[in-house]
Amino acid sequence: DAGVIQSPRHEVTEMGQEVTLRCKPISGHDYLFWYRQTMMRGLELLIYFNNNVPIDDSGMPEDRFSAKMPNASFSTLKIQPSEPRDSAVYFCASSLGFVSGEAFFGQGTRLTVV
Amino acid sequence: AQTVTQSQPEMSVQEAETVTLSCTYDTSESDYYLFWYKQPPSRQMILVIRQEAYKQQNATENRFSVNFQKAAKSFSLKISDSQLGDAAMYFCAYRSAGNGNKLVFGAGTILRVKS
Repeated sequence: DAGVIQSPRHEVTEMGQEVTLRCKPISGHDYLFWYRQTMMRGLELLIYFNNNVPIDDSGMPEDRFSAKMPNASFSTLKIQPSEPRDSAVYFCASSLGFVSGEAFFGQGTRLTVV
Repeated sequence: AQTVTQSQPEMSVQEAETVTLSCTYDTSESDYYLFWYKQPPSRQMILVIRQEAYKQQNATENRFSVNFQKAAKSFSLKISDSQLGDAAMYFCAYRSAGNGNKLVFGAGTILRVKS
């Protein structure tokens, strides 16, 4: 398996624009997590899904953030409108139930909002 | 809510020496997983070691071992014979068995290895 695939790797956008980050989890995994990493806040859990259903979105900072998982092999995190303080590295991770507990991470998307 | 605390923002160790990274967590659950992840400058998150809460024996992976103290809610990582390639950010993480199997991370500890 190719692992968790995120796209794009880097994104530079202007304030006010819509940004969409994409994630393809490992095939067969039923949990998908979205994290945001910044120097100030570390690794924050934004939202996670189980069997394509959002379980906990309490980490989503504002209504400008939304996430979807239309099927088991694809998820998006959208920011609309984007702001400079959204600049961070966004990670997607997936895991197979609670069998081993381990989550596998994608390479992350570095988002810069200017 | 479960929280994970790493009280050491940064640590240094001499090559070939041993270093211990600290982690404490807060939970009311009895069944859970604990992890240490490594994040080198490439930013890839790499699993170093995992511990199941129901296991009393401390997990070991080559030069990496943990000291799991369930009653004290402590989970430290010991790196023996430190190598230059061990330099990275290290994250402690907790995964709940209940509460939707949430996975939360500590703030991280930067480990510097001196040659």
